[in-house]
Amino acid sequence: DIVMTQSPDSLAVSLGERATINCKSSQSVLFGSNNKDSLVWYQQRPGQPPKRLIYWASTRESGVPDRFSGSGSGTDFTLTISSLQAEDVAVYYCQQYKSFPYTFGQGTRLEIK
Amino acid sequence: QVQLQESGPGLVKPSGTLSLTCVVSGASISDVNWWTWVRQTPGKGLEWIGELSYSGYTNYEPSLQSRVTISVDKSKNQFSLRVNSVTAADTAIYFCARASVGRKGLDDWGQGTLVTVSS
Repeated sequence: DIVMTQSPDSLAVSLGERATINCKSSQSVLFGSNNKDSLVWYQQRPGQPPKRLIYWASTRESGVPDRFSGSGSGTDFTLTISSLQAEDVAVYYCQQYKSFPYTFGQGTRLEIK
Repeated sequence: QVQLQESGPGLVKPSGTLSLTCVVSGASISDVNWWTWVRQTPGKGLEWIGELSYSGYTNYEPSLQSRVTISVDKSKNQFSLRVNSVTAADTAIYFCARASVGRKGLDDWGQGTLVTVSS
């Protein structure tokens, strides 16, 4: 299995400041058939299911604010929120979609400082 | 927008069978999608259980494969999850979800349903 490790486990950032969450995979998640990194970022607010924010490591989902961005390749990926808003308080997960089983990171809890 | 809604018993006895159904609206269960189950526990976080493809193929998390079945009922536009021989470790919120073409992860999710394994 591909192990996904996120850091940090929790993060407190002031409103308007930048938040950065990292995700590392135990092996490359580059999918050969489409030459894209099969790395997905989700946001889960309390009491809600996860919501996809980013796929293919850096492609933003339609309707997701542009303060959310994804970067990285191979085994190291980053989710950045450029200017934290109150509604961004949530747990963020990465998931690899390269090979079965499609494993998740353990999650990063983002709070307001 | 595809909508998914889970249903099933919220309480299952140890050694029994967990059975959940996911009704799909806004898409045909026969469309080119992968119908997926994910569960969430405080201890293990999000865990991908398995998927059923539009063509009928299934893939399961290896550690659960001997106990899990995902099946489809095309007449009702729904798919189902069965987990046999449950223990307290199977207590979780269970989500059904949809993955579309392109290895982009899970496009749509149900709201989730809590299943508790207890006598």
